[in-house]
Amino acid sequence: EPEVTQTPSHQVTQMGQEVILRCVPISNHLYFYWYRQILGQKVEFLVSFYNNEISEKSEIFDDQFSVERPDGSNFTLKIRSTKLEDSAMYFCASSVESALQGGQFFGPGTRLTVL
Amino acid sequence: KNEVEQSPQNLTAQEGEFITINCSYSVGISALHWLQQHPGGGIVSLFMLSSGKKKHGRLIATINIQEKHSSLHITASHPRDSAVYICAVSPPYTDKLIFGTGTRLQVFP
Repeated sequence: EPEVTQTPSHQVTQMGQEVILRCVPISNHLYFYWYRQILGQKVEFLVSFYNNEISEKSEIFDDQFSVERPDGSNFTLKIRSTKLEDSAMYFCASSVESALQGGQFFGPGTRLTVL
Repeated sequence: KNEVEQSPQNLTAQEGEFITINCSYSVGISALHWLQQHPGGGIVSLFMLSSGKKKHGRLIATINIQEKHSSLHITASHPRDSAVYICAVSPPYTDKLIFGTGTRLQVFP
């Protein structure tokens, strides 16, 4: 069964460093999302991406964050200068239709630890 | 106040029991989602519904749009059902999901 994959599963970085989290969505999906979950808290929406551009972003998704679909298969989240509070589990998701119309398929997550 | 509230926060049950998890929301929605988060962190979509009731195996999800309330039922619960169950809503004209804090379910043999 097709699935969303994410790499790495765990990333440890120093504060101030740039990180890139990678996702491979399901191949025929058109909508892509990033969410994060700080330990012990609820999942929070970061950004949605459709037709090679951001369709929506939350207040969390500030200038330190960017997303890209560089090659038609990968979908990346970049954090330019990590802060301690960026430590969280980051989930990528994809869907055939928009969130209004269809369910989302989630990847296994990347645990980001900022020291 | 959270836009999506779930109850209970924690739930323990004996194998075979009927389980109900509740979700109330305070915003307008186009759809409501139930998801399952496993102990390792992975999230699986269970249901997306905008009206009525859906059933998949031992899982049943219902929604009452007028009352802004949804329930997830598990019949004949099993230890492998132990997980966090999360309610999330899609507001109209948006792609984002707003998540509840989840209900941690433990089913004992």
